[in-house]
Amino acid sequence: NAGVTQTPKFRILKIGQSMTLQCTQDMNHNYMYWYRQDPGMGLKLIYYSVGAGITDKGEVPNGYNVSRSTTEDFPLRLELAAPSQTSVYFCASSTQGPLHFGNGTRLTVT
Amino acid sequence: KNEVEQSPQNLTAQEGEFITINCSYSVGISALHWLQQHPGGGIVSLFMLSSGKKKHGRLIATINIQEKHSSLHITASHPRDSAVYICAVHGGSQGNLIFGKGTKLSVKP
Repeated sequence: NAGVTQTPKFRILKIGQSMTLQCTQDMNHNYMYWYRQDPGMGLKLIYYSVGAGITDKGEVPNGYNVSRSTTEDFPLRLELAAPSQTSVYFCASSTQGPLHFGNGTRLTVT
Repeated sequence: KNEVEQSPQNLTAQEGEFITINCSYSVGISALHWLQQHPGGGIVSLFMLSSGKKKHGRLIATINIQEKHSSLHITASHPRDSAVYICAVHGGSQGNLIFGKGTKLSVKP
């Protein structure tokens, strides 16, 4: 199993550009999450999903959108990138048990 | 006040030392996670526990629900244990996972 796969690993965006962070898992997990990690801060939940077709906002959803059309995929969309979205983004999945994380995407918005 | 507090924030140890990292929380929880984040950035789940104690190799995690406190112990520490250790608690809903800021551990040879 590949586990949780995130792409890209690095990205630089200009203010106002848009992009999609991809996340896919091959463990048939129902629960998937997007987090951001800022320096010196704990992980913050952006959006989560408890199954295909179901998504919900986390603690810091503004500026982001998600979809969950399949069990495997949970992409995160940034529509109008802002410098405040410079961060490291992690996707994770679980079945109400231990979390499985992707390797992260380091995003810089300039 | 943060809902999940970890101590210490930074810890330097000599190889072979016994290490303890603490996590205190202020909310009701259904489970608590200990995670390890390597210098390269990847995050690995070490333990998920809701009561008592779990052991995996040189790592031991304990939780006291009444005192709202958990500890992560590392016996016979090794430089490869150098990482950031993160405590996270599950609140009521599946999405309500609250993270501590992490404890940065450096083990010197």
